[in-house]
Amino acid sequence: KAGVTQTPRYLIKTRGQQVTLSCSPISGHRSVSWYQQTPGQGLQFLFEYFSETQRNKGNFPGRFSGRQFSNSRSEMNVSTLELGDSALYLCASSWGTGPHEQFFGPGTRLTVL
Amino acid sequence: TQLLEQSPQFLSIQEGENLTVYCNSSSVFSSLQWYRQEPGEGPVLLVTVVTGGEVKKLKRLTFQFGDARKDSSLHITAAQPGDTGLYLCAGPSGSARQLTFGSGTQLTVLP
Repeated sequence: KAGVTQTPRYLIKTRGQQVTLSCSPISGHRSVSWYQQTPGQGLQFLFEYFSETQRNKGNFPGRFSGRQFSNSRSEMNVSTLELGDSALYLCASSWGTGPHEQFFGPGTRLTVL
Repeated sequence: TQLLEQSPQFLSIQEGENLTVYCNSSSVFSSLQWYRQEPGEGPVLLVTVVTGGEVKKLKRLTFQFGDARKDSSLHITAAQPGDTGLYLCAGPSGSARQLTFGSGTQLTVLP
């Protein structure tokens, strides 16, 4: 069974730009969650999508948004990038919504210059 | 907000030594998960503990959930370089709608 895949793996952007990250969950998993990981703040929950609906949202500004498609693939968008958005963005899939075991992808390393 | 504090933050030991890392909270958790994250990869689930006082073993790793379900520990016996990584504990948030992660323990096992 293929694992969670994320594209791209690395991304360099400049302040003010926007970025879209993609995540393909494990086949059969309908929940996709996004996390931001930084050395200072650790792993922080961004949002969760289940059956194309946002079910949970973390404490992040509206510049961070996402969506999920009918095939469970998900995208995350960050608009008007700030230097502080530099981080590893992790996608995780699960069979159900809520605090179940998370299967993580390798992440997208975003650097904002 | 339910917080999980992990200690120590960094740990560097020689191969063959034993170690224990801790995950503590002032709140009660219905369950706790332990993950290990290696460089360049996402976290991978090691174990889930559910019952207060529960002990689970995974080869040389022993996980314990506190009796009051407010803390957990991970003990590694005879550590090996392959154990190197970031160890994260996680539990359901107050609303139980998502996972809250601890800050992690970065373990380095030197050959």
